[in-house]
Amino acid sequence: DQQVKQNSPSLSVQEGRISILNCDYTNSMFDYFLWYKKYPAEGPTFLISISSIKDKNEDGRFTVFLNKSAKHLSLHIVPSQPGDSAVYFCAASPDTDKLIFGTGTRLQVFP
Amino acid sequence: NAGVMQNPRHLVRRRGQEARLRCSPMKGHSHVYWYRQLPEEGLKFMVYLQKENIIDESGMPKERFSAEFPKEGPSILRIQQVVRGDSAAYFCASSPLEVSGVYNEQFFGPGTRLTVL
Repeated sequence: DQQVKQNSPSLSVQEGRISILNCDYTNSMFDYFLWYKKYPAEGPTFLISISSIKDKNEDGRFTVFLNKSAKHLSLHIVPSQPGDSAVYFCAASPDTDKLIFGTGTRLQVFP
Repeated sequence: NAGVMQNPRHLVRRRGQEARLRCSPMKGHSHVYWYRQLPEEGLKFMVYLQKENIIDESGMPKERFSAEFPKEGPSILRIQQVVRGDSAAYFCASSPLEVSGVYNEQFFGPGTRLTVL
């Protein structure tokens, strides 16, 4: 039972363009959503988060959008840079004691 | 300020042996979480601990797996009688003292890659 889904396993974007990573969830009780970035052989690194009471949160080149009626969130990276190439995980928190992760989207930014 | 530390980074065990994975949380953090990542999958929650207490172990397999976070020392994830299906990356995360109604970000360690031969 996959409560958090990332349906695109990979995404390839040219440097300077916008990267859009998508995430869907099934549980309307989730109250906090996060995006993590992961390089090979390293642990996930927190990127940006959003509370369920908001529909947008922005931090530099990264913006997360939340559409609660559609149970959908997206991460926008603009402009994309080669150093952004990594696996991005969407995660949801139903409470303060665990994170439920999606399966990840591998982003490749090429010159 | 050191981050979350995990050791060993790589662990090889033969079927039937025991695996012990250690996690030292960030300084000042009193909450520890363990996650497992199987190949080509996302991270799956296993257990949430505070000092000397297991708060949520809903993601732990019922047999062979146990976790502790003693008053002194690191948190330990122990897997007895390992099988090939236990081969995975095991990540530990920590967060600071919980404040009611406030989400506390989890900081992840580099993981331990367990290979069962």
